[in-house]
This record gives sequence, structure tokens and C-alpha cells, in this order.
Amino acid sequence: GAGVSQSPSNKVTEKGKDVELRCDPISGHTALYWYRQSLGQGLEFLIYFQGNSAPDKSGLPSDRFSAERTGGSVSTLTIQRTQQEDSAVYLCASSLEAGGQPQHFGDGTRLSIL
Amino acid sequence: QKEVEQNSGPLSVPEGAIASLNCTYSDRGSQSFFWYRQYSGKSPELIMSIYSNGDKEDGRFTAQLNKASQYVSLLIRDSQPSDSATYLCAASRPYGGSQGNLIFGKGTKLSVKP
Repeated sequence: GAGVSQSPSNKVTEKGKDVELRCDPISGHTALYWYRQSLGQGLEFLIYFQGNSAPDKSGLPSDRFSAERTGGSVSTLTIQRTQQEDSAVYLCASSLEAGGQPQHFGDGTRLSIL
Repeated sequence: QKEVEQNSGPLSVPEGAIASLNCTYSDRGSQSFFWYRQYSGKSPELIMSIYSNGDKEDGRFTAQLNKASQYVSLLIRDSQPSDSATYLCAASRPYGGSQGNLIFGKGTKLSVKP
């Protein structure tokens, strides 16, 4: 498949546990974005990896959230000590070039914190 | 608080009619505007972008931007049942925000009746 791939598609975990969400962008895409969508809310920006430039981390809601992008390809979003308010669909997107808006979204990871 | 506001709908139009979706934004510093379509249970897909005042047409879609009034609209001509979805308006974050950092509205649900 040529699209953005996210795993797992669903994750249920207990409050206080750590979770890792993975994103495989479209091959060759320079820019990678993480957003989340809570029920009844708009998409909320989390982090933007823009090629070789420093990532824009301004949307990460707390220091429990971190993300990395290894080798300019795969990205992992880590949430430590999860809280119930972290429950949301976490969406990853990629674009061919840095400096633009998210174009191709993955199917998302639905995270539920019990 | 920088916001993008949309009427949540649902907006119901008959097949073949023009659907008009509206969006306002709070900060004059936003420069770029986008419309995404999100089918139920699916991820958003980018359908239109607009950066200058006036109209931009792409097939059955026309995006309109009025920076003086701080509103953006999307017109869908000859609406089809397959256009039934939630339409998300997004604006670039002003004053130093990266291009990947967008402010999204909560979306307007459109229903096109056969």
C-alpha cells in the first residue's frame, strides 16, 4: 500500500501505563505530522517534523508526550503515564515537502484509557 | 485563544443543489486556509486550499476567502449523496507558527438527500 500506515489501529490501556503509537509515512515524504481528534472536537495539532529542520513541538499538551522520527521516515509518538483525557484518535499525516499543510492522513490509532 | 468556528450542522441539501459551508477565524494573522472532507469513521482528506482574497475553483468546489471579514467558505455545486461528510475548515497558526501547525474548526456535517 502507498498510504500512511499507523499501528496499532486500536489500543486500550489502563490509566498510568505508557503507550507507543507508530506511523509509517508515504515513502519519500519529507514532512510528518501528528494530530489528535477527541469526540466532538476539532483536530488538535501535536507535533510537526519538517525535514531537516527542528520539529515544531508546540502542540504537545504536556511533558508526558514525546515523539521522534528516526532516519527521516518512521515516527513514534509516546505517551507516558496515560490519563483518561488522553483518550482520542491519534492521526498521523505526511506530505511530500516540508513547509506545507498535512495532505495524506493515516487511518489513525484509537486510544482508550480505562 | 485563536479559533476557527464552524456551524456544526447538520446542513441538509437536496441532490443537485449548491451546498454552502462557512467558517470564521479569530486571528487576522492567519494567512493560509484549508478545507478537509472527513467521511464518517474515516480520516480527513485535503480538498481545497486558499491563500488570497477571492474565489478559487476546482471542479465542483469553490473556496472563497475574505480576509477583511475573516471568513472562508466552501461551495459545492451539483451536490451528490457522495458529498455527504463532515467538512473541516483549518487556518494556519499566525505569528511564527509552522506551516504544519493548523487550527481546525469542529466541522460542519453535510447531508445530501437523493
